[in-house]
Amino acid sequence: QKEVEQDPGPLSVPEGAIVSLNCTYSNSAFQYFMWYRQYSRKGPELLMYTYSSGNKEDGRFTAQVDKSSKYISLFIRDSQPSDSATYLCATQRGMDSSYKLIFGSGTRLLVRP
Amino acid sequence: DTGVSQNPRHKITKRGQNVTFRCDPISEHNRLYWYRQTLGQGPEFLTYFQNEAQLEKSRLLSDRFSAERPKGSFSTLEIQRTEQGDSAMYLCASSLVGLDGYTFGSGTRLAVV
Repeated sequence: QKEVEQDPGPLSVPEGAIVSLNCTYSNSAFQYFMWYRQYSRKGPELLMYTYSSGNKEDGRFTAQVDKSSKYISLFIRDSQPSDSATYLCATQRGMDSSYKLIFGSGTRLLVRP
Repeated sequence: DTGVSQNPRHKITKRGQNVTFRCDPISEHNRLYWYRQTLGQGPEFLTYFQNEAQLEKSRLLSDRFSAERPKGSFSTLEIQRTEQGDSAMYLCASSLVGLDGYTFGSGTRLAVV
């Protein structure tokens, strides 16, 4: 079993839709949670960064963490064609020595004009 | 450009040849990471440096792989006697000591034929 599970998609939505992307993780030691966006043939770009349970909002993006169910979500409001990309969730154990990130396999999102 | 720079962007090599990739991190970042990403998967941790010291290596990093970061600046990743299974995107990232996430480069795409 992978430490972080993510539905690979693809997820296809019309422009303006609300998008919900999700991950589950297995290790309760994970404390920090991130969402990265990756365009084709590019490196991942950090979108959101959260610590422990709760919500964090940044513009059209909201990240949500539920540690009790080990569930991570990213919501995108008013989705745009430029949001078409692969979205990777990632987690980190916390204040250890390496700050190693553990990624999900990514969900491919297509926003249709 | 103040981002993470990786060279070359693409590399095609014959099986059995040696290849070397270079990463130039953001200048004030003292941590540097190498990840490998195969098609349809999220990045997987290979190794990381704090300044010039290599502090952690993944089991994915076989004896054919070696990474260096002389003087705590740029880093190189060398793969000796390449195999077809080495074909992947090799990503470099850097960060300051802290938990604000990484900045990734655009990666070096390796094809072993």
